[in-house]
Amino acid sequence: AQSVTQPDIHITVSEGASLELRCNYSYGATPYLFWYVQSPGQGLQLLLKYFSGDTLVQGIKGFEAEFKRSQSSFNLRKPSVHWSDSAEYFCAVGARSGGSNYQLTFGKGTLLTVNP
Amino acid sequence: DTAVSQTPKYLVTQMGNDKSIKCEQNLGHDTMYWYKQDSKKFLKIMFSYNNKELIINETVPNRFSPKSPDKAHLNLHINSLELGDSAVYFCASSPSLRRGGLRTYEQYFGPGTRLTVT
Repeated sequence: AQSVTQPDIHITVSEGASLELRCNYSYGATPYLFWYVQSPGQGLQLLLKYFSGDTLVQGIKGFEAEFKRSQSSFNLRKPSVHWSDSAEYFCAVGARSGGSNYQLTFGKGTLLTVNP
Repeated sequence: DTAVSQTPKYLVTQMGNDKSIKCEQNLGHDTMYWYKQDSKKFLKIMFSYNNKELIINETVPNRFSPKSPDKAHLNLHINSLELGDSAVYFCASSPSLRRGGLRTYEQYFGPGTRLTVT
């Protein structure tokens, strides 16, 4: 079965600093990988996704992520964070759930706090 | 225009009651999902459903049942509510169409329904 590990439960950075959120996955086949962001009291918004091709993917809000197969990682990065980036970030791996259905398995999330 | 909507946003009810949460998507997707997010923010799939298949997470009690009147809706019915059912429930949808030869599976989430069982 697939699994996702986000080693950092809570990260605090200063506004303008660079950011890297870690994500490691376990899946027997080529993974479909996603990063979602959840602001307080809100639903999940897709930041970016990796299916195939270029291992460096660009997303919304200035985020990017790099897929490294050898390390089973899909870390999220941003060169300069803004206080509005404070939120919970979830990494997810997509896998078949049976038949033609496909489902996401999420990590436990990393809470990002950006100090102004 | 809201892509995936849920009603109600908040639901407070007593143990033993039966309740429903509605979900609608206007994205033209043919697969919909229900997730449960517990107090520690952990997201767990409950169901995935399209017009052909219902996939149930084996850990979901049979008190929970999804019902889909049409492709745009997937409602969640919960019978005999228990304290442990208190959580935020998210509906999501995804396309299962090929785009440029690549099947895409990104999911789009609704705003969530916070269920509190007292």
